[in-house]
Amino acid sequence: GAVVSQHPSRVICKSGTSVKIECRSLDFQATTMFWYRQFPKQSLMLMATSNEGSKATYEQGVEKDKFLINHASLTLSTLTVTSAHPEDSSFYICSASGGAELGTEAFFGQGTRLTVV
Amino acid sequence: GQNIDQPTEMTATEGAIVQINCTYQTSGFNGLFWYQQHAGEAPTFLSYNVLDGLEEKGRFSSFLSRSKGYSYLLLKELQMKDSASYLCAVRGRGNMLTFGGGTRLMVKP
Repeated sequence: GAVVSQHPSRVICKSGTSVKIECRSLDFQATTMFWYRQFPKQSLMLMATSNEGSKATYEQGVEKDKFLINHASLTLSTLTVTSAHPEDSSFYICSASGGAELGTEAFFGQGTRLTVV
Repeated sequence: GQNIDQPTEMTATEGAIVQINCTYQTSGFNGLFWYQQHAGEAPTFLSYNVLDGLEEKGRFSSFLSRSKGYSYLLLKELQMKDSASYLCAVRGRGNMLTFGGGTRLMVKP
């Protein structure tokens, strides 16, 4: 099956610094990637949708200048949390969708646990 | 908009059967997914329904009624390892998944 690799799995950073999270599709071309955020004991909340080569579409309430998304190739999307603050501490998960040959399943990365201290 | 409802928590006994319901109201519908998620891990795919009816896969089955905006996930022969959150998600425009709040299932001996 299709594999999505997300890196890093865990990161601790100081308040005010920026953190980059990578999401790679290893064996398929991801035309669309989705970034989710999940707080403890809550469900996944979609942050943004990115299509290769175009600007990401952000969900209402998500600051595009704070959560920078780049989808420069068909196998890589990055999420950069800029000027991170403790309230940004969360579990961030990407998922990727490929062409019609991959059917309808969304493939998830392993997730990144971000802790801002 | 999208509105997906599922119970917050359920408890069941090892070896038993449990049904987790999901109701949805969405502006677009291109299928309904069920995912299992253990704490601190990413969701794993369980099932997909786009047509009405029951899809069976081993101990897990999923049912869909599009006219009623209703789905359920049925887990048979429950095992302790089935303790997890179960997420109902509807696929709408542009392959986007919208998730329900998740149901935390606790399996007791």
